[in-house]
Amino acid sequence: DTEVTQTPKHLVMGMTNKKSLKCEQHMGHRAMYWYKQKAKKPPELMFVYSYEKLSINESVPSRFSPECPNSSLLNLHLHALQPEDSALYLCASSQDAGGAYEQYFGPGTRLTVT
Amino acid sequence: KNEVEQSPQNLTAQEGEFITINCSYSVGISALHWLQQHPGGGIVSLFMLSSGKKKHGRLIATINIQEKHSSLHITASHPRDSAVYICAVRSYNAGNMLTFGGGTRLMVKP
Repeated sequence: DTEVTQTPKHLVMGMTNKKSLKCEQHMGHRAMYWYKQKAKKPPELMFVYSYEKLSINESVPSRFSPECPNSSLLNLHLHALQPEDSALYLCASSQDAGGAYEQYFGPGTRLTVT
Repeated sequence: KNEVEQSPQNLTAQEGEFITINCSYSVGISALHWLQQHPGGGIVSLFMLSSGKKKHGRLIATINIQEKHSSLHITASHPRDSAVYICAVRSYNAGNMLTFGGGTRLMVKP
């Protein structure tokens, strides 16, 4: 199984809502990533979890809160978002964060903030 | 100047044509990735290279470490190859995280 799954596929939320994005992999990977991608732009790294610990936070605003409850699951909790946060949110995983391992990407969650 | 530059930015081809997409980078790397993204979709990893050449079906990827350059070739292109192709490097500067090029938007017409 070389699949990274993400739910939901689409999400529309108001600026006062609280919602969560979910990412799951069963490849035994110990590194998981959140990326944000705006239209016609490459992905931008947001967070990296390595062995279930947050290892990189690319100065992401606190209205985005990541969580890694176990080695297979990665969540991104959203609160008080702004319209400019509308984007495709991609999750990825790799065997390890330190080496030159292939990253496997999920299909993404398309988020619209109204 | 971006650390990873791709050319061309946009490419239109007729079905059956041979296609080349180029990627140049300016940093020391441990690996280079070629990724494919269909409109509105997730990203699929096509190749990971640290030297030489790899082939998968109609796709060929090459890398020249000395010249800091990689190419992705598509032989006998097909409309289903229409997608954005992204070059990304794992650079020592970035703690082995991926640094992405701007992408090449390919359209193959029947």
